[in-house]
Amino acid sequence: AQKVTQAQTEISVVEKEDVTLDCVYETRDTTYYLFWYKQPPSGELVFLIRRNSFDEQNEISGRYSWNFQKSTSSFNFTITASQVVDSAVYFCALSEASTGYALNFGKGTSLLVTP
Amino acid sequence: DADVTQTPRNRITKTGKRIMLECSQTKGHDRMYWYRQDPGLGLRLIYYSFDVKDINKGEISDGYSVSRQAQAKFSLSLESAIPNQTALYFCATSPSGTHNEQFFGPGTRLTVL
Repeated sequence: AQKVTQAQTEISVVEKEDVTLDCVYETRDTTYYLFWYKQPPSGELVFLIRRNSFDEQNEISGRYSWNFQKSTSSFNFTITASQVVDSAVYFCALSEASTGYALNFGKGTSLLVTP
Repeated sequence: DADVTQTPRNRITKTGKRIMLECSQTKGHDRMYWYRQDPGLGLRLIYYSFDVKDINKGEISDGYSVSRQAQAKFSLSLESAIPNQTALYFCATSPSGTHNEQFFGPGTRLTVL
């Protein structure tokens, strides 16, 4: 069963629009971590954020912000004032002790930002 | 220099051939992982290793084997490659401890004809 669901396969926005990428996860662990990675067209994986299950504070880093809600098992990612360079595939991932802290990835959301 | 390197970066091979993908790291991390990425499927775990003597199967280990030759090296082998193993393969490392960030190599694009 898919433990991390990214329901949006592809999103297309015009530059300067705000966009939210959804992530819903499933786990029985009480302690777990959630991650977001970015994969630009060049193919490498770029770490964006790590959040533990006990910290529900929202986080903001420049134009990026993350909203973690345990009640709905969601860890959504918002890009404010999107730019063309934000075009990439974004992956949400779950880390659990039961799988050796390996990352269980969602299928990714492909974001296209057009001028 | 890159902290996590993968060789080769691209490889085309034929069905039935044995092939090895290599991963090296200079980060001093104990944990190493192999994932494969298929279009629309995200990344899936093949094998992981907590140290030289500790190797574990991941979600999709069938058809693959691994070797942890040293703390810094973790190789992935396809004993008899088949076309559905065509994918992008990533190696990753992380320090010991819980739930640490993983650092990924640049990936190896493998095509099996």
